[in-house]
Amino acid sequence: QSVLTQPPSASGTPGQRVTISCSGSSSNIGSNTVNWYQQLPGTAPKLLIYSNNQRPSGVPDRFSGSKSGTSASLAIRGLQSEDEADYYCAAWDDSLNGHVFGTGTKVTVL
Amino acid sequence: EVQLVQSGAEVKKPGESLKISCKGSGYSFTNYWINWVRQMPGKGLEWMGRIDPSDSYASYSPSFQGHVTMSVDSSINTAFLQWSSLQASDTAIYYCARCSLDYDYGRRHDFWGQGTLVTVSS
Repeated sequence: QSVLTQPPSASGTPGQRVTISCSGSSSNIGSNTVNWYQQLPGTAPKLLIYSNNQRPSGVPDRFSGSKSGTSASLAIRGLQSEDEADYYCAAWDDSLNGHVFGTGTKVTVL
Repeated sequence: EVQLVQSGAEVKKPGESLKISCKGSGYSFTNYWINWVRQMPGKGLEWMGRIDPSDSYASYSPSFQGHVTMSVDSSINTAFLQWSSLQASDTAIYYCARCSLDYDYGRRHDFWGQGTLVTVSS
């Protein structure tokens, strides 16, 4: 069961900006950092954003993250066809003493 | 180069047992937790639990407690996930992921295995 809530889908045309929201609670997003993962079709998830807004080496700066209170968001600027994937937010949950993932958002490039 | 390489796909019958593996390389295996994540067909990611290779301590999500067992053999840099009695509902892809933790940036799954597809069918 997912504890973090995301919209099921988001879409945009090439070059547009798309944002994905992630809603949690005080025990997870409210008190811990948020990570984002990208899962391309048929592949394993990949770390996209960590610690709310940090990009691992190799991740384009078109991707950015932010957090406020018990919510977080991922923005994709200059949408490209290769960005078509599922995106998941995640955070440590102090009540569960474990990780929780978001419900996932499928991004479609029109 | 950090790599997590998982064992191959499995097809099992209900009631059978199974043990899948995740071998780490390119880093100090005992310095990072290994997490296991389930992805059922067409569904999202679910955290199953984690194991600390330095002392073999495992912690499970309540959803998986008592149904799976995590273990590790640090002499061969390998973590394991096992079932004693599979059910059809265990059909899924199982991923292992390395968990990095530091004071400034918190926890994150920074490297993932390629996934192991487990199919349970009579």
